[in-house]
Amino acid sequence: GENVEQHPSTLSVQEGDSAVIKCTYSDSASNYFPWYKQELGKGPQLIIDIRSNVGEKKDQRIAVTLNKTAKHFSLHITETQPEDSAVYFCAAPLGDSSYKLIFGSGTRLLVRP
Amino acid sequence: NAGVTQTPKFQVLKTGQSMTLQCAQDMNHNSMYWYRQDPGMGLRLIYYSASEGTTDKGEVPNGYNVSRLNKREFSLRLESAAPSQTSVYFCASSTQGRGGEQYFGPGTRLTVT
Repeated sequence: GENVEQHPSTLSVQEGDSAVIKCTYSDSASNYFPWYKQELGKGPQLIIDIRSNVGEKKDQRIAVTLNKTAKHFSLHITETQPEDSAVYFCAAPLGDSSYKLIFGSGTRLLVRP
Repeated sequence: NAGVTQTPKFQVLKTGQSMTLQCAQDMNHNSMYWYRQDPGMGLRLIYYSASEGTTDKGEVPNGYNVSRLNKREFSLRLESAAPSQTSVYFCASSTQGRGGEQYFGPGTRLTVT
């Protein structure tokens, strides 16, 4: 089955610096890779996703890159702000059925003012 | 729109007791999901319903049952609660099952003593 590994588990950066979170997946049939942000006491919320037919996608300060050959994808946050502090999860579908998302174990990002 | 709502927010059960977690969405989504979130383990899919009238197992279905009551509502039942089921439970919905954004509810924190 699919296995998604996420690193690092915690990340502390100074406000204004960049943050990078990396995930690897095992199922070569996976074709959709979302990133979710979870604030304390709330449910996760989608912040960006990428499909297997593109290598990079940007949305303002957030970008995701995908390397299908190496089976890894990364979240990049530039010019970090205190409100970026949260837990971030990557995910990949089980096989070609995106009904079943396998989530990484999460990265707790702390942005220091 | 309220989005995805879950009841109750908190619950404490004794081992062997049963209960049903309720979930409803007002976004006219076809697909609905139940996840559990344990510390350091990300989210794991318990059951999902691709469309009204269908349900299927996820990663960790043992000890749970689900009912897709109608298009709006998807309930999760614990027939005989065990301490290992202590967790935070999230319901989610999506309009497009394969490769579509999932919208999460606020969660139910369940403790089994």
